[in-house]
Amino acid sequence: GEDVEQSLFLSVREGDSSVINCTYTDSSSTYLYWYKQEPGAGLQLLTYIFSNMDMKQDQRLTVLLNKKDKHLSLRIADTQTGDSAIYFCAERPLSGGYNKLIFGAGTRLAVHP
Amino acid sequence: KAGVTQTPRYLIKTRGQQVTLSCSPISGHRSVSWYQQTPGQGLQFLFEYFSETQRNKGNFPGRFSGRQFSNSRSEMNVSTLELGDSALYLCASSLGLAGVPSYEQYFGPGTRLTVT
Repeated sequence: GEDVEQSLFLSVREGDSSVINCTYTDSSSTYLYWYKQEPGAGLQLLTYIFSNMDMKQDQRLTVLLNKKDKHLSLRIADTQTGDSAIYFCAERPLSGGYNKLIFGAGTRLAVHP
Repeated sequence: KAGVTQTPRYLIKTRGQQVTLSCSPISGHRSVSWYQQTPGQGLQFLFEYFSETQRNKGNFPGRFSGRQFSNSRSEMNVSTLELGDSALYLCASSLGLAGVPSYEQYFGPGTRLTVT
């Protein structure tokens, strides 16, 4: 089936690293995504990883994929107050066809001084 | 390059009415997908259009429909509005190639629909 799970809340201190975790169920998923949503805004594509990769790094962002456990994580280095937002993990299952994304419920990241 | 635009940004309608939302994708993008975001159900896929054809559909009632024009702009329509249709409706744009999924989808700011 198609299901994506995330913890709902994470609080970190400014300057620390944040790690947001996600598990998915569909092993056929070809791409896995991280989106960011700020209050009153749409979704911003942060990064994505192909299912045959273990890791992808993009500036302060590091994505780790454990395909065996169907576990995805997003690490944000040197977290800033501007990183406060809701982060969504999404999978694109092969069975969904084309561009259908299945989203998790989102993790609210709160960054405090 | 301009991003995905959605109009209107906010809308208030009464139960039983119908509504049409519009989405203009990024220039050159041919695929448009629609999602509904609510506090209770989260983000759910409505449908996707490519080259004026619906090629994928989520699990929503027939009151939800859409179309795509030759310039790739898309509209979605909800008829006989219910209170539960109150949501943020997001449109996503991707390059779209025939028979090939796109890696990247870019979202617009959304249309906030309130049904009273």
